[in-house]
Amino acid sequence: GESVGLHLPTLSVQEGDNSIINCAYSNSASDYFIWYKQESGKGPQFIIDIRSNMDKRQGQRVTVLLNKTVKHLSLQIAATQPGDSAVYFCAENSGSARQLTFGSGTQLTVLP
Amino acid sequence: GAVVSQHPSRVICKSGTSVKIECRSLDFQATTMFWYRQFPKQSLMLMATSNEGSKATYEQGVEKDKFLINHASLTLSTLTVTSAHPEDSSFYICSARAPWAGTDTQYFGPGTRLTVL
Repeated sequence: GESVGLHLPTLSVQEGDNSIINCAYSNSASDYFIWYKQESGKGPQFIIDIRSNMDKRQGQRVTVLLNKTVKHLSLQIAATQPGDSAVYFCAENSGSARQLTFGSGTQLTVLP
Repeated sequence: GAVVSQHPSRVICKSGTSVKIECRSLDFQATTMFWYRQFPKQSLMLMATSNEGSKATYEQGVEKDKFLINHASLTLSTLTVTSAHPEDSSFYICSARAPWAGTDTQYFGPGTRLTVL
């Protein structure tokens, strides 16, 4: 079936560097995408979203890029901090009930 | 704004007992809530969509008689795991869809860790 997946299961970056987390999706009909951050033992926390009529959206230290041609989504975190260490999930909105389909997640580890 | 709570945060029960988990939207009304299950090192898997005032819609493979969902008000949905078994041990997370126009964003609760002995 349709699915959302991630290229890299783990990512380690030095504190202060920029991080890029990638996501591939296969449902060309998806029109809304969200990035969530999940710390150990907690629920997912909304980071940033983007609709399919946009190719870039910026938030505080984060940028989401959407390439509909190749069905690719990325999350860029500027000046990565230790508190950014977590699992990051991309999700797409699908179905008549606008359900979320989650990717497999990327574990981001920030090295001191 | 957009705070979702869950209770309890952690529960341990004996095999064969039933466990109820509550999900509340604290500062907004949610006509639609969702229940997910997450096993260690895995992604979130949608179990069911809970609509206020109507029956929940279950995903394929999820037993509706085992996972009872009630969405009695615009701020509360409950998930009851009936006759729990060790394989039901998991992290259960609810979410509520934001009611404001122009968004499909879901806000998640902190999760409930269920351990069945």
